[in-house]
Amino acid sequence: GPKVLQIPSHQIIDMGQMVTLNCDPVSNHLYFYWYKQILGQQMEFLVNFYNGKVMEKSKLFKDQFSVERPDGSYFTLKIQPTALEDSAVYFCASSLQVSNERLFFGHGTKLSVL
Amino acid sequence: QQQVRQSPQSLTVWEGETAILNCSYEDSTFNYFPWYQQFPGEGPALLISIRSVSDKKEDGRFTIFFNKREKKLSLHITDSQPGDSATYFCAANTGYQNFYFGKGTSLTVIP
Repeated sequence: GPKVLQIPSHQIIDMGQMVTLNCDPVSNHLYFYWYKQILGQQMEFLVNFYNGKVMEKSKLFKDQFSVERPDGSYFTLKIQPTALEDSAVYFCASSLQVSNERLFFGHGTKLSVL
Repeated sequence: QQQVRQSPQSLTVWEGETAILNCSYEDSTFNYFPWYQQFPGEGPALLISIRSVSDKKEDGRFTIFFNKREKKLSLHITDSQPGDSATYFCAANTGYQNFYFGKGTSLTVIP
């Protein structure tokens, strides 16, 4: 089936550094999402993105977070600077449409902030 | 306030038994309820979903029962198999961008 690829699978960085998480969504999908999952907890919505713009974001999407998809390349989540509480698994998802539409998730990027 | 709640947190059944996973929600405008299955080290994958106009959705061994009045739904897995061992997330949305996920139920099926 359609695949969402996330790179890298694991990232370890020091607190205060910048990190960029990369997502290659399903090729014909138009809506992109980032979710954050802390071990043993539910997935928390961070942000969704369509047509070059953030459509909706949650309170977890702090000012230090940004997303972009320049020229149809990777959909990225950048955190600058990182904090200890940013340690989590970040899942990228994409969908063809937005309304009641199936999300396709990547395998996640585990971010460890030391 | 947590929009979607799931119970139990973990569940263990024997192979061949029926596993029942519960979900409830707060927002009465939610009208689409997908269940996602997640294996360790992987992202969640859509298993089965139901819209609020229906009270039951069946797909093989997986059935969703939906009670709109009580804002509850449940996922029944009949003839459980060891390969069904995974974490199951109930989710909900209103038809717009954001999906709300529950904390998940970790299912273990013992051979």
